[in-house]
Amino acid sequence: QKEVEQDPGPLSVPEGAIVSLNCTYSNSAFQYFMWYRQYSRKGPELLMYTYSSGNKEDGRFTAQVDKSSKYISLFIRDSQPSDSATYLCAMSEQAGTALIFGKGTTLSVSS
Amino acid sequence: DTGVSQDPRHKITKRGQNVTFRCDPISEHNRLYWYRQTLGQGPEFLTYFQNEAQLEKSRLLSDRFSAERPKGSFSTLEIQRTEQGDSAMYLCASEGGPATQYFGPGTRLTVL
Repeated sequence: QKEVEQDPGPLSVPEGAIVSLNCTYSNSAFQYFMWYRQYSRKGPELLMYTYSSGNKEDGRFTAQVDKSSKYISLFIRDSQPSDSATYLCAMSEQAGTALIFGKGTTLSVSS
Repeated sequence: DTGVSQDPRHKITKRGQNVTFRCDPISEHNRLYWYRQTLGQGPEFLTYFQNEAQLEKSRLLSDRFSAERPKGSFSTLEIQRTEQGDSAMYLCASEGGPATQYFGPGTRLTVL
């Protein structure tokens, strides 16, 4: 079992839909949780960062962390074609250590 | 924009050749990371610097790989005697706040 599991998709939705992306993990020591967006042949772009449990909202994006279930989510409201990309979850035990990534979920938003 | 930059963006080489990649982090960031990403996978950690000190190396970093960060500024990653299995995107990241790593555009390596 990998430390971080993420369904690779692909996930296809119409413009305006609410998108839910998820990751599960096995290491209970993870404290920092990130979501990155990666366009084809580009570097990952940091979208959301959460420390420990709870929710965080930034515009159309909401990140949730449930440490009791070892489950994190990213919600995208009013999805746009420009949101079409691969979304990577990442986590670490502490600052100054390597991030452990999921495989990424490929999202396609059609207009 | 003073984000993370990487050079070259693409490199095609023949098996057995040596290659070197450069990363320039965000100027005020002390921590710099190298990752490797293959198609359909998330980035995998290779090595990490705090200032000029290399503090951690992954078991993925075979003895053909070497990384440096002289004077705690830019970093280089060298691969000696390249193999076809080295073909991947090599990503550099620098760390701002706790665990917030900002990635460069990557160097795509193709070994023929």
